[in-house]
Amino acid sequence: SQTIHQWPATLVQPVGSPLSLECTVEGTSNPNLYWYRQAAGRGLQLLFYSVGIGQISSEVPQNLSASRPQDRQFILSSKKLLLSDSGFYLCAWRTTADREKLFFGSGTQLSVL
Amino acid sequence: GNSVTQMEGPVTLSEEAFLTINCTYTATGYPSLFWYVQYPGEGLQLLLKATKADDKGSNKGFEATYRKETTSFHLEKGSVQVSDSAVYFCALNPMIKAAGNKLTFGGGTRVLVKP
Repeated sequence: SQTIHQWPATLVQPVGSPLSLECTVEGTSNPNLYWYRQAAGRGLQLLFYSVGIGQISSEVPQNLSASRPQDRQFILSSKKLLLSDSGFYLCAWRTTADREKLFFGSGTQLSVL
Repeated sequence: GNSVTQMEGPVTLSEEAFLTINCTYTATGYPSLFWYVQYPGEGLQLLLKATKADDKGSNKGFEATYRKETTSFHLEKGSVQVSDSAVYFCALNPMIKAAGNKLTFGGGTRVLVKP
């Protein structure tokens, strides 16, 4: 069966510090991978998606970047966090065979202070 | 562009009450529509979906009907339980290949069911 791991579950970081959130998928190959953010009081916003190793599409200009060094690994990064980066970050994946079903990780609550 | 609007919460109900969460959307073409649920401390889970007009998605006692004429996909449950307390997200997938299967989500509605 397929599983998705996302860590850490919570993170408190000072303004200006770097960020690295990791997401890995098991039990499938060549998944499409996604990073979403839910800011307080707002809906989910797609940040990045990837259809393959090294292929990253950015949806919203921002202080964040994403990388996909391996087929089932998706990393969200920042060199210098801003207060506005606080939020709940969700990693998700889907197979290319089923275009409708998206599987989500358990999320990371990031607080930038 | 695509957008999803859902009623703001929180919605507070008593057990066995009827629940409705309104959701309307704006999209070109023929999107698929979804309801996701986020239980406390967990990630999002797909609750139900509908892929074409007049389809009814159902799961765990929840139902939603894809109404193209009113561009709506309201979520309903006839008798809620305490365990239904969660945040509910309406979402659409424009089903356009070039769009990479990107979902657009509503703002989420927190539901609290009291015993």
